[in-house]
Amino acid sequence: SQKIEQNSEALNIQEGKTATLTCNYTNYSPAYLQWYRQDPGRGPVFLLLIRENEKEKRKERLKVTFDTTLKQSLFHITASQPADSATYLCATLSGAGSYQLTFGKGTKLSVIP
Amino acid sequence: KAGVTQTPRYLIKTRGQQVTLSCSPISGHRSVSWYQQTPGQGLQFLFEYFSETQRNKGNFPGRFSGRQFSNSRSEMNVSTLELGDSALYLCASSPTGGGYNEQFFGPGTRLTVL
Repeated sequence: SQKIEQNSEALNIQEGKTATLTCNYTNYSPAYLQWYRQDPGRGPVFLLLIRENEKEKRKERLKVTFDTTLKQSLFHITASQPADSATYLCATLSGAGSYQLTFGKGTKLSVIP
Repeated sequence: KAGVTQTPRYLIKTRGQQVTLSCSPISGHRSVSWYQQTPGQGLQFLFEYFSETQRNKGNFPGRFSGRQFSNSRSEMNVSTLELGDSALYLCASSPTGGGYNEQFFGPGTRLTVL
């Protein structure tokens, strides 16, 4: 089944800088990859979905890339703000024909004023 | 549209007891997934239901079970509770499920097993 690694448990950056989070997947090559934001004690909130034929997708200060050769997705937050501090999760389907989403353990981002 | 609701929000049980958690999806959503979240393991998939049928099940023991009703509301049940079952239980709904649908998560039920 799918395995997802978000290789930074925590990331601290200065306000105004660009945060870059990494998501690597093994085994199954998904057609879609999703990113979520989770605040403490709350359920994850969907941010972006990127398809395998899309190399890049943007939404306001967010940018996601999807490299099927490297089996990797990068998630960027430009001009980061303290309000961006949260845990960010990536997720893909666990396998072909599956309806099961496999999540990474997340990267906890702290934006320091 | 109202969001996904979960009841109860907090629950304290003792070992050996059983518990039932409830999830009401967004109106019109037919897929409901359940997840267990712990600090050490992250978000782990329990099962997914669509139109009252379980389509996928994660790697959890048979003590964890669920069902979905004709109005898409879902329940999950954990029998013979163990200390390790303490976790945040999240449900998520989507129109049809699958990786191309965003999941809408509820606020979760915080279960503490003593």
